[in-house]
Amino acid sequence: QAGLTQPPSVSKGLRQTATLTCTGNNNNVGNQGAAWLQQHQGHPPKVLSYRNNNRPSEISERFSASRSGNTASLTITGLQPEDEADYYCSAWDSSLSAWVFGGGTKLTVL
Amino acid sequence: QVQLVESGGGVVQPGRSLTVSCAASGFTFSDYNMHWVRQAPGKGLEWVALIWYHGRETFYADSVKGRFTISRDNSKHTLYLHMHSLRAEDTAVYYCATEYSYGSGSKPFDIWGQGTMVTVSS
Repeated sequence: QAGLTQPPSVSKGLRQTATLTCTGNNNNVGNQGAAWLQQHQGHPPKVLSYRNNNRPSEISERFSASRSGNTASLTITGLQPEDEADYYCSAWDSSLSAWVFGGGTKLTVL
Repeated sequence: QVQLVESGGGVVQPGRSLTVSCAASGFTFSDYNMHWVRQAPGKGLEWVALIWYHGRETFYADSVKGRFTISRDNSKHTLYLHMHSLRAEDTAVYYCATEYSYGSGSKPFDIWGQGTMVTVSS
């Protein structure tokens, strides 16, 4: 099953803004959008944004999701040390009748 | 409190079978679709399977189709993953996660368990 494409790593400075991307196709990201998850080493993932770009109530406003065509984006403003983590996108693929994940982006906060 | 607790992981020989479970508490389990997602050591997340809230529809990743079966017992608030013909590449932490569907949308991967480790090795 073809997954979604994410850059393996992104590095940004403290208090800067990072934008992570996730590219799919018309059957997944372009169809129903992507969810975004954060995973710290040794912990289960945590959802940051649902497919409609809405955040769970407990997630900081510093995290915002958007979509343009077949590419979904997660923007993190005012980067903090605790934002250093792996970030994954995921989408339902209507042609596969399956969920697909991106390979993940490791965010380093310098 | 809202909680998912996986169990049943362990070391199993290639070609053998294993069932892992996910016990839910603190929410109405029968209202939620449920996923299994796995993560091989040092690797990314891989979606494995989905079962709808009523249990009558299931979906699988190609990598496990025909070998794994997802099921649930809403009376016991428990999700299962029955794994057969296990291979070394099935070695991973297996997580269960919820998805709440409403109207035209859903909240996928909202609640996660801590995971259970399955190691396939001779």
